[in-house]
Amino acid sequence: NAGVTQTPKFQVLKTGQSMTLQCAQDMNHEYMSWYRQDPGMGLRLIHYSVGAGITDQGEVPNGYNVSRSTTEDFPLRLLSAAPSQTSVYFCASSRGQGTETQYFGPGTRLLVL
Amino acid sequence: GENVEQHPSTLSVQEGDSAVIKCTYSDSASNYFPWYKQELGKRPQLIIDIRSNVGEKKDQRIAVTLNKTAKHFSLHITETQPEDSAVYFCAALLGNAGNMLTFGGGTRLMVKP
Repeated sequence: NAGVTQTPKFQVLKTGQSMTLQCAQDMNHEYMSWYRQDPGMGLRLIHYSVGAGITDQGEVPNGYNVSRSTTEDFPLRLLSAAPSQTSVYFCASSRGQGTETQYFGPGTRLLVL
Repeated sequence: GENVEQHPSTLSVQEGDSAVIKCTYSDSASNYFPWYKQELGKRPQLIIDIRSNVGEKKDQRIAVTLNKTAKHFSLHITETQPEDSAVYFCAALLGNAGNMLTFGGGTRLMVKP
């Protein structure tokens, strides 16, 4: 199993550009989520999904869209990038809701100029 | 929502000493408390977790204690080694909010040889 994979590893954007961060998992996990981690800070939940076709907002959803058309994939879209979105983005998955272990992907480092 | 505070933000210990990191949470409905270790440039990885029906859990040199009345939980690392140096995050899961983990701000642990 590859676990949770993310692409790209690093991306530079100009203000106003859009892009999609890819996340995939091959563990047949129902639950997937996106976090952002700013320097010296903990992780903050952006969006999450409890299964294919179902998504919901986390703590900091503004400026981001998600979709979950398959169990495996959970892409995160930045609609119009802003410097405040410069961060490291982690995708995570778990077998189900509640007290299930979350497995994190390797992260995508995003710089918005 | 949930709010998690973590202390200290940095902790320096001598190899072989013990390290203790403390977290407090705000919502008494939270029922799951994982701890993650994040090495520089890497993804967070679960090291231990505890559920609200248990007061203490131990795994070799790592232990976690939970005080539901006071709404705080702690990570204890004994006989610290240089490879324990990393950033440690606590988190709390609000049971009636799906799988939305709220993270503390992190503790940078430095173990000096």
